[in-house]
Amino acid sequence: NAGVTQTPKFQVLKTGQSMTLQCAQDMNHNSMYWYRQDPGMGLRLIYYSASEGTTDKGEVPNGYNVSRLNKREFSLRLESAAPSQTSVYFCASSDTAQGIIQYFGAGTRLSVL
Amino acid sequence: GENVEQHPSTLSVQEGDSAVIKCTYSDSASNYFPWYKQELGKRPQLIIDIRSNVGEKKDQRIAVTLNKTAKHFSLHITETQPEDSAVYFCAASKGTYKYIFGTGTRLKVLA
Repeated sequence: NAGVTQTPKFQVLKTGQSMTLQCAQDMNHNSMYWYRQDPGMGLRLIYYSASEGTTDKGEVPNGYNVSRLNKREFSLRLESAAPSQTSVYFCASSDTAQGIIQYFGAGTRLSVL
Repeated sequence: GENVEQHPSTLSVQEGDSAVIKCTYSDSASNYFPWYKQELGKRPQLIIDIRSNVGEKKDQRIAVTLNKTAKHFSLHITETQPEDSAVYFCAASKGTYKYIFGTGTRLKVLA
């Protein structure tokens, strides 16, 4: 009964370092999402994947890349981290691109120094 | 561009009182409006949602109302309890992946 699992939970990077955030869901959902959450702001969509093999940019894609590895897994990569990418990152999934986003991961708190 | 405004940003109520949070959306094509509750350090959880063909939906102590003409929708929590303390987010969608979220309301229920 894991739902959406994200790793790691916390990460500290230096400016210019790279890292990959991992997300996996076990609900056989087709669509997966990456959001970032900053203080005083709502969740903002970074990238989404409507189905396996497809990815599209969201509201704030600059500085990020994604990979939909298979139906279960959707990773987010920061190639050269910047302090502006300090945020909490949430992965989410829904059964379809028109479906209800009911399940979020527990979040990754990222600090870029 | 598309926008969702959420008010108030903070709300304190006495235990047992009601709380109302309001969101206004800009895109008249929006047709799906979910509400999420996020406890401190936790993930957002969907608590209730409403579609544009319905004016009101209720689930125990929580209700959502929608006024399509005025383009606003509200979350109502009755008989508030300390465990209702959290940040609440509204969102609007045109039935696609693209959710526009409000900036959140921090609700404090005072015992």
